[in-house]
Amino acid sequence: DVKVTQSSRYLVKRTGEKVFLECVQDMDHENMFWYRQDPGLGLRLIYFSYDVKMKEKGDIPEGYSVSREKKERFSLILESASTNQTSMYLCASSLTREQYFGPGTRLTVT
Amino acid sequence: KNQVEQSPQSLIILEGKNCTLQCNYTVSPFSNLRWYKQDTGRGPVSLTIMTFSENTKSNGRYTATLDADTKQSSLHITASQLSDSASYICVVSARDAGNMLTFGGGTRLMVKP
Repeated sequence: DVKVTQSSRYLVKRTGEKVFLECVQDMDHENMFWYRQDPGLGLRLIYFSYDVKMKEKGDIPEGYSVSREKKERFSLILESASTNQTSMYLCASSLTREQYFGPGTRLTVT
Repeated sequence: KNQVEQSPQSLIILEGKNCTLQCNYTVSPFSNLRWYKQDTGRGPVSLTIMTFSENTKSNGRYTATLDADTKQSSLHITASQLSDSASYICVVSARDAGNMLTFGGGTRLMVKP
């Protein structure tokens, strides 16, 4: 079974803080993705990576950055958290067409 | 612009009843369509995936249909159970977009006892 884990299920941060969200997959997948999910907007792609040290912007990259130093780990970074980044963050990985999702991190920025 | 529209946005049914969720898309060129189930506070889990040549695919009590001509898909749930209460998300992939997906907004289903 593919397993995608995220470092936290729930996170509360203050405005202006630097936030790290970690995602780890154990299936040697090349592709990894970060999404945010908001009511009425569905899932929106923030960034993705198709190889170590490679990254591409998704649909809404503003205010975020990513890091992929190892194949199994993909980190999402909020350089200076803002209240409009309060959301559910979902990580996914894939080898071919099937994407496997992690459990999500619900981030609240106050 | 690639889009995926789902209806209804939310649905409440009694346990044991059947229901059908709809998905319309404008993604082109079409590669495949997936239905995901997402329990509250959890990540989405794949139910079915269909390519252009597949009209129907079943996974237990879940049956997905695809009409690539009209660009419509449906997810039929038979003999609903309380555990079916979740959001159901339709996701479409374009052939020339690698692994990029276009997500529908989801249908939130509640099954009442």
